[in-house]
Amino acid sequence: EIVLTQSPGTLSLSPGERATLSCRASQSVSSSYLAWYQHRPGQAPRLLIYAASGRATGIPDRFSGSGSGTDFTLTISRLEPEDFAVYYCQQYGSSPNFGGGTKVEIK
Amino acid sequence: QVQLVESGGAVVQPGRSLRLSCAASGFTFTNYGMYWVRQAPGKGLEWVAVTSYDGTNKYYADSVKGRFTISRDNSKNTLYLQMDSLRAEDTAVYYCAKFHLGYCSSPRCSGGADSWGQGTLVTVSS
Repeated sequence: EIVLTQSPGTLSLSPGERATLSCRASQSVSSSYLAWYQHRPGQAPRLLIYAASGRATGIPDRFSGSGSGTDFTLTISRLEPEDFAVYYCQQYGSSPNFGGGTKVEIK
Repeated sequence: QVQLVESGGAVVQPGRSLRLSCAASGFTFTNYGMYWVRQAPGKGLEWVAVTSYDGTNKYYADSVKGRFTISRDNSKNTLYLQMDSLRAEDTAVYYCAKFHLGYCSSPRCSGGADSWGQGTLVTVSS
């Protein structure tokens, strides 16, 4: 099973700042089967990025994904107030598990 | 507009069974595989089970294999999760979610999950 490790656990930033979130896999993720989600308290998770860098429908272009193999990154170019949430990466192989999450909080 | 509505969550004693349902609308249900994903209190997301668009292929997390069964009734646009031999560690909010990509027989081609329900709470406690 591929284990996903997200870092940092918590990111304290101010609105307007750039956020860089990391997701590291214990072995190579085939064909970039890597997604990113945003999860706000009390809401359903929201797909942001699929195939490592493809932006899902309706996702603002301040969200971008990159990486391949074992190292992936989600970048939020300029944080908006609604972006403060928990972010998860997921590798959707045969066992489509999630990373432990990164909480982006207001500094 | 895609809508997924889970139901069936309850408080149940350890060892008992429960069946969750997920009513789908706003898209062609028969064309998409589906996930069940859960979140225990204070924890992150954990995938539970996956079914292909036609119900032929099913996948389970090791933590629920042999106890939970995913199924779908395409004539009713409904996804199910039969949960048997429930344990305290199964306590969680359970979400159903739709594959991002259609006509996909495994999670590998799912593109992740692009629509989620609001979740239903299952509490396993004596």
